[in-house]
Amino acid sequence: KNEVEQSPQNLTAQEGEFITINCSYSVGISALHWLQQHPGGGIVSLFMLSSGKKKHGRLIATINIQEKHSSLHITASHPRDSAVYICAVRSYGATNKLIFGTGTLLAVQP
Amino acid sequence: DADVTQTPRNRITKTGKRIMLECSQTKGHDRMYWYRQDPGLGLRLIYYSFDVKDINKGEISDGYSVSRQAQAKFSLSLESAIPNQTALYFCATSEGDPGRYGYTFGSGTRLTVV
Repeated sequence: KNEVEQSPQNLTAQEGEFITINCSYSVGISALHWLQQHPGGGIVSLFMLSSGKKKHGRLIATINIQEKHSSLHITASHPRDSAVYICAVRSYGATNKLIFGTGTLLAVQP
Repeated sequence: DADVTQTPRNRITKTGKRIMLECSQTKGHDRMYWYRQDPGLGLRLIYYSFDVKDINKGEISDGYSVSRQAQAKFSLSLESAIPNQTALYFCATSEGDPGRYGYTFGSGTRLTVV
């Protein structure tokens, strides 16, 4: 079983919909990252969380350390949000690297 | 120019050939990483380096080797390529603890071994 699980694996939404992507992890962590990978392949960082909630534009990320769960929300989704969204954690047992989830492929249709 | 540059962007090679993927960075970061990405799997760590004299194996280092030629350069070699090494390869750098600083990624190298 992967230490970091994401759901759903694939998600199709209509433009304007509110989207939620989930990340659950089984290890103790000091930080969690959300990243975005566009079809061209490049990966960029969206958020780093150690507690609570962060917001940037239409993106909101939350984390519940006790439940070992994080969510990424996209409000008023747009076709340009179509990408793979990846959750990654920095665990106490592997301090030199990030451990990655398998990603959620989001397609937002106009 | 990109902060982290990978070359080549795409490569098709034959089974048994030796191939080198190159990564250079202008971030001034000491930490550099090589990952591979396969469909349905998360990014998996191949090797990482904290400085020129510090090279460490990741979870899937078999069949790969690396060279840290300078702080800015970290190359990945496949000594004898095999088809199951077909994947998207990423180089990444970090300013320090990746939990705090995260990674800066290159654009990736798509490698196909036929």
